[in-house]
Amino acid sequence: AQKITQTQPGMFVQEKEAVTLDCTYDTSDPSYGLFWYKQPSSGEMIFLIYQGSYDQQNATEGRYSLNFQKARKSANLVISASQLGDSAMYFCAMREKGGSYIPTFGRGTSLIVHP
Amino acid sequence: SQTIHQWPATLVQPVGSPLSLECTVEGTSNPNLYWYRQAAGRGLQLLFYSVGIGQISSEVPQNLSASRPQDRQFILSSKKLLLSDSGFYLCAWRGTGLHYGYTFGSGTRLTVV
Repeated sequence: AQKITQTQPGMFVQEKEAVTLDCTYDTSDPSYGLFWYKQPSSGEMIFLIYQGSYDQQNATEGRYSLNFQKARKSANLVISASQLGDSAMYFCAMREKGGSYIPTFGRGTSLIVHP
Repeated sequence: SQTIHQWPATLVQPVGSPLSLECTVEGTSNPNLYWYRQAAGRGLQLLFYSVGIGQISSEVPQNLSASRPQDRQFILSSKKLLLSDSGFYLCAWRGTGLHYGYTFGSGTRLTVV
């Protein structure tokens, strides 16, 4: 079974609007961490945001926020006020304490921001 | 500061030729190191990880191998490349502290012809 599921292969958003990228995960480990990465066309993987399973509040980093719904095993990325430079692939990843902290990645969502 | 270097950036190799990709980390000691491969339009597949010198764990059996001859050096190799080895190879290390993300190198785009 897939540990990380990203159901949206592609998303489109108008510049300056907010967009939500979906991510669901599967684990029985009580200790885990969730990450989001951005991969522009250049290929580099850019770390965006982290959420720990014991964190009480949703993580935020500038225009990025993570909508963490633990009971639903959901960790959606919200990008507010989209910019043209946000056009990229976005990957959700999880690491589990029982999995030697090795991150597992989803298949990614391609985001295109229209002017 | 901590940085990760990966080279070469682009590589075109014929089928059956050997491969050596190198990754080095600066500014940290005893990092956990990872090799991932990304096929076109796909997610990242973990190939190897290492928690210390000479300690290599393989996740996917194939004609690739990895070595860690020094604390901050991680090498991905093959004796004979296959067409299916084409892809984007990324080296990564795990930062210190639970909340630190994984930092990736700039990647190597390998095309086997």
